[in-house]
Amino acid sequence: QKEVEQNSGPLSVPEGAIASLNCTYSDRVSQSFFWYRQYSGKSPELIMSIYSNGDKEDGRFTAQLNKASQYVSLLIRDSQPSDSATYLCAVNPNYQLIWGAGTKLIIKP
Amino acid sequence: EPEVTQTPSHQVTQMGQEVILRCVPISNHLYFYWYRQILGQKVEFLVSFYNNEISEKSEIFDDQFSVERPDGSNFTLKIRSTKLEDSAMYFCASSLGLAGLTDTQYFGPGTRLTVL
Repeated sequence: QKEVEQNSGPLSVPEGAIASLNCTYSDRVSQSFFWYRQYSGKSPELIMSIYSNGDKEDGRFTAQLNKASQYVSLLIRDSQPSDSATYLCAVNPNYQLIWGAGTKLIIKP
Repeated sequence: EPEVTQTPSHQVTQMGQEVILRCVPISNHLYFYWYRQILGQKVEFLVSFYNNEISEKSEIFDDQFSVERPDGSNFTLKIRSTKLEDSAMYFCASSLGLAGLTDTQYFGPGTRLTVL
């Protein structure tokens, strides 16, 4: 059974600080990893994708992948109230996304 | 910017009735997907579709579910005899289909299905 695990939160972070979101996965052969953001009642929206070990930066977002530890993380710098949402980690082992339950992030002004 | 569209946004049906959820994927995408999310739970994969046939399906996607691409633009999910537990948000997604497992999937806004 392929699993993706995330801390459900809520994770409360002051505005302007760094938010750190973590995800672990069970399937060692997974090659592609995605972070989506989901606002309440809305569809998932892609934030970042990462395929190789190391860091990948896009604006205020940095994704980190460690395949040996089966660990993916997302850092959000200079957190804004609009970043308050549920962040979903997803893994694509075989033309299907396997999802974590999501971490609810709250940015406090 | 191209986007995936879904209709209707909300569907209410009686238990045992058939429903068809409709999606228009992004026009040059080759892979299509359906996911569902029961309220308060994680997103779950249902089925992927490529070259007019099912590519992968989950255990959830049993005989009461079917998918079809009836024309060059629409992609549909049919639930033959709805059950109370089918109440969920159903998301359609599409991807280019050229990058293998690194393909990015883009999601439509969802159809909220309520079975009474």
